[in-house]
Amino acid sequence: RKEVEQDPGPFNVPEGATVAFNCTYSNSASQSFFWYRQDCRKEPKLLMSVYSSGNEDGRFTAQLNRASQYISLLIRDSKLSDSATYLCVVNIGSNYQLIWGAGTKLIIKP
Amino acid sequence: EAGVVQSPRYKIIEKKQPVAFWCNPISGHNTLYWYRQNLGQGPELLIRYENEEAVDDSQLPKDRFSAERLKGVDSTLKIQPAELGDSAVYLCASSLDPIAEAFFGQGTRLTVV
Repeated sequence: RKEVEQDPGPFNVPEGATVAFNCTYSNSASQSFFWYRQDCRKEPKLLMSVYSSGNEDGRFTAQLNRASQYISLLIRDSKLSDSATYLCVVNIGSNYQLIWGAGTKLIIKP
Repeated sequence: EAGVVQSPRYKIIEKKQPVAFWCNPISGHNTLYWYRQNLGQGPELLIRYENEEAVDDSQLPKDRFSAERLKGVDSTLKIQPAELGDSAVYLCASSLDPIAEAFFGQGTRLTVV
């Protein structure tokens, strides 16, 4: 089992719809969690950190479920510009290893 | 404030040749990462520095890859000799500390022919 797993997609979603992705992690000692966005042929950019209490930034909501060991990202009222690959990152262990998922590809269609 | 700066942006070399990449992290960021990313995959860590110390280089192919971060600021990653399978995007990232979010440079797209 991979340490961090994501559904590769692609998720094909009509503009204006709500879409959600999950990311599961295997190490219960994981300490911090992030969602990054990566556009085609560009570098990953931080979308949001994921806090234990969950957090929201505009149309984006991130949640952490420690009991089931997954994080989620919800995008409401999706825009064409949301089309990208969404990568989850988990920081684990006393050595603070950052483990990256392979990403979920999202395509928003008009 | 300037972000992470990498150079060159693109590099095409013949196999068996050496190549070097350079990274200037965000000012004040103690943690520096070198990643390799292949198409359709997430970034794969090659090495992580805390200041000038390499604290995680377990995924660095040490027979041909080397890295340094003199004075705990700029860093270079070298491949010698390059192989066809080294073709990828090499990303540098930095963060304030190892649990903070990382910020990436634009990457160097390496093609080995």
